[in-house]
Amino acid sequence: TQLLEQSPQFLSIQEGENLTVYCNSSSVFSSLQWYRQEPGEGPVLLVTVVTGGEVKKLKRLTFQFGDARKDSSLHITAAQPGDTGLYLCAGSGAGSYQLTFGKGTKLSVIP
Amino acid sequence: KAGVTQTPRYLIKTRGQQVTLSCSPISGHRSVSWYQQTPGQGLQFLFEYFSETQRNKGNFPGRFSGRQFSNSRSEMNVSTLELGDSALYLCASRVAGVRDTQYFGPGTRLTVL
Repeated sequence: TQLLEQSPQFLSIQEGENLTVYCNSSSVFSSLQWYRQEPGEGPVLLVTVVTGGEVKKLKRLTFQFGDARKDSSLHITAAQPGDTGLYLCAGSGAGSYQLTFGKGTKLSVIP
Repeated sequence: KAGVTQTPRYLIKTRGQQVTLSCSPISGHRSVSWYQQTPGQGLQFLFEYFSETQRNKGNFPGRFSGRQFSNSRSEMNVSTLELGDSALYLCASRVAGVRDTQYFGPGTRLTVL
């Protein structure tokens, strides 16, 4: 069974601070996705990374896939209140249609 | 293009009852997946349907079942409800393939009393 461990579970920071969320596994994933979920809504895909060592940027968000494709990180620069939400990482194995999710990081950005 | 829709959005049932949840995928999407989300376990995969056939199944008891119709709409059924079945049930659709993006619906919040 593939497992994804996310840390930290909860994060409360002031507007303007930087933060990093981690997603780790002992298994290799063929691709890894990051989602953000707001209360009462389903997760919304932010990015998919597929190549070991890959770095993708989405405005103030930087996503990195580990060289061995077992871990990933999400870095937010100068966090804003609009970044508040539950951040989820999810991985899939080669040829698998099933996504394995981490339990999420609940981020609160205080104005 | 309309997103994934789920009905009903909220549902309250009592132990022992059964429930049916509905999901309408994005037009043109043939794959529908179902997930259960709880505070303790997070998001867990239930099953996936593609062209009316179950293509993949998670580790849930047989009380959880689903089906997909020819128009790609999907339903999931939970029989003999237990308190632990209280959760947000999410449906996601994608065009077809492994590399296609999944789009999630807003979910159905099920409360079992």
